[in-house]
Amino acid sequence: RKEVEQDPGPFNVPEGATVAFNCTYSNSASQSFFWYRQDCRKEPKLLMSVYSSGNEDGRFTAQLNRASQYISLLIRDSKLSDSATYLCVVIVYSSASKIIFGSGTRLSIRP
Amino acid sequence: DTAVSQTPKYLVTQMGNDKSIKCEQNLGHDTMYWYKQDSKKFLKIMFSYNNKELIINETVPNRFSPKSPDKAHLNLHINSLELGDSAVYFCASSQDRGTDFTGNTIYFGEGSWLTVV
Repeated sequence: RKEVEQDPGPFNVPEGATVAFNCTYSNSASQSFFWYRQDCRKEPKLLMSVYSSGNEDGRFTAQLNRASQYISLLIRDSKLSDSATYLCVVIVYSSASKIIFGSGTRLSIRP
Repeated sequence: DTAVSQTPKYLVTQMGNDKSIKCEQNLGHDTMYWYKQDSKKFLKIMFSYNNKELIINETVPNRFSPKSPDKAHLNLHINSLELGDSAVYFCASSQDRGTDFTGNTIYFGEGSWLTVV
């Protein structure tokens, strides 16, 4: 089982829709979580951190469920510019900490 | 004034050649990384350097040799290139201390598209 798994998509939704996707992680020593965004043929960039109590940044809401070991990203009122691949990132703290990237979920917003 | 810059952006080369990719960051970060993103889009860490010192060396063939002349530069040299080396190589940096990731933002360069023919 991969340490971090994401549904690769693509999710194809109309503009204005709400879309959500999850990322599961297998290591219970995982302590920090993030969502990065990667546009086509570009580098990944931090979208938002994921806090234990859940957090919101404009139209984006991130949630963490430690019991079920997943994080989620919800995008409300989606825009064409939201089309990108969303990468889940998990930091595992053990003897030496490790950053693990998911393979990403592709999102395509249609007019 | 790009924060993390890497060159070249595109590189097409024949099998067996030796090539280098250069990376520089002007963010004052102590930690720099090389990541590889393959055709399936998995982004995997290859190396991490903290203040010119190698911290992380994942299972990477020893044909790949990173060199950090100072903490603002981390170059990647690849010997005897193979077809399977074709990928996008991202340089990155962060404030983390290499083995003590506290979740500081990782800043990536624009990537170097390597194609081995």
